Amino acid sequence: DAGVTQSPTHLIKTRGQQVTLRCSPKSGHDTVSWYQQALGQGPQFIFQYYEEEERQRGNFPDRFSGHQFPNYSSELNVNALLLGDSALYLCASSLFGDLYQPQHFGDGTRLSIL
Amino acid sequence: DAKTTQPNSMESNEEEPVHLPCNHSTISGTDYIHWYRQLPSQGPEYVIHGLTSNVNNRMASLAIAEDRKSSTLILHRATLRDAAVYYCILRVSNNAGNMLTFGGGTRLMVKP
Repeated sequence: DAGVTQSPTHLIKTRGQQVTLRCSPKSGHDTVSWYQQALGQGPQFIFQYYEEEERQRGNFPDRFSGHQFPNYSSELNVNALLLGDSALYLCASSLFGDLYQPQHFGDGTRLSIL
Repeated sequence: DAKTTQPNSMESNEEEPVHLPCNHSTISGTDYIHWYRQLPSQGPEYVIHGLTSNVNNRMASLAIAEDRKSSTLILHRATLRDAAVYYCILRVSNNAGNMLTFGGGTRLMVKP
């Protein structure tokens, strides 16, 4: 049973470019959340997708957008990249509304902005 | 949302028990206490959770104070593989979206 998979594992971009990160949730999960983790800090919630709609959003600008597909996989898009967007981007999957079962995380995509 | 407070770092010897504290003085009656840990170069992984009673699983034990204003994650015999950042998180019962609010966590170092 595959867990959460993310691609790519590493990515290097320059300022002003756009990037798309991908996530496949754990089998049986219908909800995908994205987190940004800066070096030395805890993950910060970006947004969550369920039934192909954004359900919750953290304190991130509109440059961050996402999408969920009918097979529950998801993409995170970041436009007009800034140096401060350099971070580990984590995807987590879960069942919507289930507070008792844990979220399952992928190992992330390390994004470096030059 | 209620906040948690954890020490920045702790150190333990291999094969000894480790008690990782967490303060959550503003917890509400229906908030669940969750613990996750993040090993180097990996995403966070679930460890344990509880509401009021102490909980045990194959990874750890969770001791919750009677007033629920604090909790302690107990690793019974630390191994080198347990070196990680441990996060104490409160999950709000009306948060149907299941988002997790991470703090800075406690970095656990295990000495051989």
